[in-house]
Amino acid sequence: GESVGLHLPTLSVQEGDNSIINCAYSNSASDYFIWYKQESGKGPQFIIDIRSNMDKRQGQRVTVLLNKTVKHLSLQIAATQPGDSAVYFCAENSYGGSQGNLIFGKGTKLSVKP
Amino acid sequence: KAGVTQTPRYLIKTRGQQVTLSCSPISGHRSVSWYQQTPGQGLQFLFEYFSETQRNKGNFPGRFSGRQFSNSRSEMNVSTLELGDSALYLCASSPRTSSSVETQYFGPGTRLLVL
Repeated sequence: GESVGLHLPTLSVQEGDNSIINCAYSNSASDYFIWYKQESGKGPQFIIDIRSNMDKRQGQRVTVLLNKTVKHLSLQIAATQPGDSAVYFCAENSYGGSQGNLIFGKGTKLSVKP
Repeated sequence: KAGVTQTPRYLIKTRGQQVTLSCSPISGHRSVSWYQQTPGQGLQFLFEYFSETQRNKGNFPGRFSGRQFSNSRSEMNVSTLELGDSALYLCASSPRTSSSVETQYFGPGTRLLVL
């Protein structure tokens, strides 16, 4: 989920396919991770979260995987729909650090083709 | 339960002016964090308020300030506006009822354009 400047990584998928969005986080001390979805003109919307004592968590059509060894987070969306088109951000936080301070990745733009 | 609300939604100012943005958190939430979102820098943390006290601050100049009221509503102020302050300003609230990290819920943001 990293990018440079104005250019977001883009993932283009066909409707009905599964999507996997990846994110490399920065702080090995982070113990809480969140995925947000942001549609054009709106604020980030909570999708799913995971704490560092877990390596997998499932929600409705979404699964988050956490690999602490390589500091990698992924979001899997099953049966992707046109309404899933948005920019997806991973965010990390550390209880031992500043609780109110989420550190965001640069985002990945998901484009779903009907 | 109503979500986080922010006013105004859009704002146009000129360089040198100052601006105040308002945020009402989800009912019962006691923590309010502010973020700046730009295409070049992404989402960056400004500061967090809890129980009317600033608890954390990001790496922004002193022109950016905020406060929180007893009803948990928060305002942020930017003085002596610069062109680079044009951004989407997002407010997020969380319950802060436990000692562990909690999810933050975002408002729709205030789009600020500095001319």
